[in-house]
Amino acid sequence: DTAVSQTPKYLVTQMGNDKSIKCEQNLGHDTMYWYKQDSKKFLKIMFSYNNKELIINETVPNRFSPKSPDKAHLNLHINSLELGDSAVYFCASSQDGRGQVIQYFGAGTRLSVL
Amino acid sequence: GQNIDQPTEMTATEGAIVQINCTYQTSGFNGLFWYQQHAGEAPTFLSYNVLDGLEEKGRFSSFLSRSKGYSYLLLKELQMKDSASYLCAVTDAGNNRKLIWGLGTSLGVNP
Repeated sequence: DTAVSQTPKYLVTQMGNDKSIKCEQNLGHDTMYWYKQDSKKFLKIMFSYNNKELIINETVPNRFSPKSPDKAHLNLHINSLELGDSAVYFCASSQDGRGQVIQYFGAGTRLSVL
Repeated sequence: GQNIDQPTEMTATEGAIVQINCTYQTSGFNGLFWYQQHAGEAPTFLSYNVLDGLEEKGRFSSFLSRSKGYSYLLLKELQMKDSASYLCAVTDAGNNRKLIWGLGTSLGVNP
């Protein structure tokens, strides 16, 4: 009964490949996020969707494309993987509201590009 | 610009009290979060402050001073399991779903 689940947990691939990471939340939340955490542990927002609509789109290479088929799912597709894409990618979700909007994170996908 | 500063590392002894500071300079303010992240795991929510003052939650307390752009997380009766990274994050004034994150403070608790 995991709240925010992402697959795969580990992803090792060659430079130039295309890969996808999937995320699902069963919390009934309206908003989902993708974060990248690099080796220095800096957590950087990439994208956010609210009810399937893109609401946050930070400066991210266009090789990264999010897709939200419904409000419980947010997938991340990465084209032409580069060495610098190696990081941990976290999915998160939150319930809409004023003030305190707590984000709940998935366990992360550890991507290694060789 | 927007900036959040925290000490990189801290160490403390089991049973002690430790205070982790966070200062922020942001274009607006709509609340401050503290998250805990154990090595290799996801960040988990600890506390939220939007008004000045101290919020207490068991062994953990969080303080906010909006005029000083300052917060701290206070951990009492430290346990070995408290060894983790503690992340300070400020809510973007224009979008309460967007968090601006600090680099985190890695806390080591020694026996």
